[in-house]
Amino acid sequence: DGGITQSPKYLFRKEGQNVTLSCEQNLNHDAMYWYRQDPGQGLRLIYYSQIVNDFQKGDIAEGYSVSREKKESFPLTVTSAQKNPTAFYLCASRGTGDTEAFFGQGTRLTVV
Amino acid sequence: AQSVTQPDIHITVSEGASLELRCNYSYGATPYLFWYVQSPGQGLQLLLKYFSGDTLVQGIKGFEAEFKRSQSSFNLRKPSVHWSDAAEYFCAVAPGGFKTIFGAGTRLFVKA
Repeated sequence: DGGITQSPKYLFRKEGQNVTLSCEQNLNHDAMYWYRQDPGQGLRLIYYSQIVNDFQKGDIAEGYSVSREKKESFPLTVTSAQKNPTAFYLCASRGTGDTEAFFGQGTRLTVV
Repeated sequence: AQSVTQPDIHITVSEGASLELRCNYSYGATPYLFWYVQSPGQGLQLLLKYFSGDTLVQGIKGFEAEFKRSQSSFNLRKPSVHWSDAAEYFCAVAPGGFKTIFGAGTRLFVKA
């Protein structure tokens, strides 16, 4: 089945450690996105990539980094510079010509 | 700047009653408009979308939405709510390009 896979579903890390969230899609979509979700704030765009080896900052990119070395993969690293990293992270993708984005099941990151 | 407003943070309806969730957007032209649903701890699922044509669009799970240009609104409706409809609902706009802007969400509670 085609879709977007985020792993792990739950992730715990100590404060000050970097952590990488995985996002893989087999939909052959060119565009991929990372969103952060906090209660009452909807989804906020962290980074997006329209094509391999290219990505742009979204609205809240500080403290995050990404790479897009393969079309299928768009990992997100939450660095120690992110002041409040505990949140629900959603990855999405969109095909060329599509109007809507398709979402993974999310990763809940808790930093203690 | 483009924005999406969902004025109701949460709504409670009785099972079998009708539902209307409000959404207003700010954008110069008619953007692509979407409604997504999210169950707790899950990703987002597309309910319906609008980008041209008939202003009343039908979606999955018995939902419909009406686009009203004069009011910059795209309200979601369902004639009879089921307990399984309890979830969070997001209105979103895609003004063009690769970005989608989400509202803060409306959480729907269904009482027996």
